[in-house]
Amino acid sequence: GNSVTQMEGPVTLSEEAFLTINCTYTATGYPSLFWYVQYPGEGLQLLLKATKADDKGSNKGFEATYRKETTSFHLEKGSVQVSDSAVYFCAGRAGTALIFGKGTTLSVSS
Amino acid sequence: GAVVSQHPSRVICKSGTSVKIECRSLDFQATTMFWYRQFPKQSLMLMATSNEGSKATYEQGVEKDKFLINHASLTLSTLTVTSAHPEDSSFYICSAWDSQQETQYFGPGTRLLVL
Repeated sequence: GNSVTQMEGPVTLSEEAFLTINCTYTATGYPSLFWYVQYPGEGLQLLLKATKADDKGSNKGFEATYRKETTSFHLEKGSVQVSDSAVYFCAGRAGTALIFGKGTTLSVSS
Repeated sequence: GAVVSQHPSRVICKSGTSVKIECRSLDFQATTMFWYRQFPKQSLMLMATSNEGSKATYEQGVEKDKFLINHASLTLSTLTVTSAHPEDSSFYICSAWDSQQETQYFGPGTRLLVL
């Protein structure tokens, strides 16, 4: 069946460090892929998305490229800020429902 | 961008009572909405898919008689937790599918505490 696997956290970084959160998917075909972010006590916000192979989604300095050959959609940011501290979820679309990874907690210190 | 609201944001109720949570898409029509449940420090668990004008589709293990879903219009879905018990305490999150944007937008969540 369809599944999304992302690296387990927590990830602890200093401000301005480089961030990578790995995400791979298993699916029939090539689903649209998403990264969502959840700040403490809040719901999920769409961070970025890619709908087909080689698409790059980007937003707020975050990027992720849909790699068909490695079935991956890794999230990257060149210089993280304290305000980026949150839980990040990778997701793939199966039909109209989303399949979520388990989430990765990012903690950025100044 | 698209906005999905939930009401209430937080509710405390006594065991045995019923609680209704509303989910609205504010600037787009959603024929499909979803209800998720999230336990502390865990991922979202899809409970059911709510389809406008028809019965909801529940995921395996979710009691449809306990979690009543109504999707009466293209902008509103409701989840009613009937005869709530302490084990129903959780963070409930709805989302709405925007077919034009091919994106699912999430509400801010409702924290339910059953005493």
